[in-house]
Amino acid sequence: DSGVTQTPKHLITATGQRVTLRCSPRSGDLSVYWYQQSLDQGLQFLIQYYNGEERAKGNILERFSAQQFPDLHSELNLSSLELGDSALYFCASSVAPGESSPLHFGNGTRLTVT
Amino acid sequence: AQSVTQPDIHITVSEGASLELRCNYSYGATPYLFWYVQSPGQGLQLLLKYFSGDTLVQGIKGFEAEFKRSQSSFNLRKPSVHWSDAAEYFCAVGAGGTASKLTFGTGTRLQVTL
Repeated sequence: DSGVTQTPKHLITATGQRVTLRCSPRSGDLSVYWYQQSLDQGLQFLIQYYNGEERAKGNILERFSAQQFPDLHSELNLSSLELGDSALYFCASSVAPGESSPLHFGNGTRLTVT
Repeated sequence: AQSVTQPDIHITVSEGASLELRCNYSYGATPYLFWYVQSPGQGLQLLLKYFSGDTLVQGIKGFEAEFKRSQSSFNLRKPSVHWSDAAEYFCAVGAGGTASKLTFGTGTRLQVTL
């Protein structure tokens, strides 16, 4: 168990809808990362937060947004969903950004868009 | 930009046989390198990491990896594979010389025959 908790485990929704994925980092970790894993794109970095502030952006679509709250949990919001958004979304956490401490991943949320 | 290549999509080995999974990276400076393992329905678990120093690094579950700068490689090895090692293995490089914003390879799926 990595200590990173993601909810829900599975999500099925229709095109055009909006969903929210939630992540609780490991105790003591201040930085949260979101990754998308799909068959055609592999594992891709989406966005990173550190202590409530956006720290880095990767290949995140404008339809997607995220935030990190004062209690350090994070939410990834996906809107105007398309079939191609179906993927496994991982949250990871680390003590701090740019540190040599590696990322610890949650078990992911599997999103299916129909 | 950094990149990672895992040339083997799928590898099958017999239980008890040795294993080597290949990983080549592209990065302009000294990279931060990682190997993660993903079992079905699970998140990614860190096997080992290389930041600097000794080029042969030991990880969990009996795995080791060797950093070879001249070959831009970071191959993962295990002297004797167990059936429980069957999983997908990902090599990753830290962007910007940090452990943040990992760039992952496409993964190698390991099958173990009894």
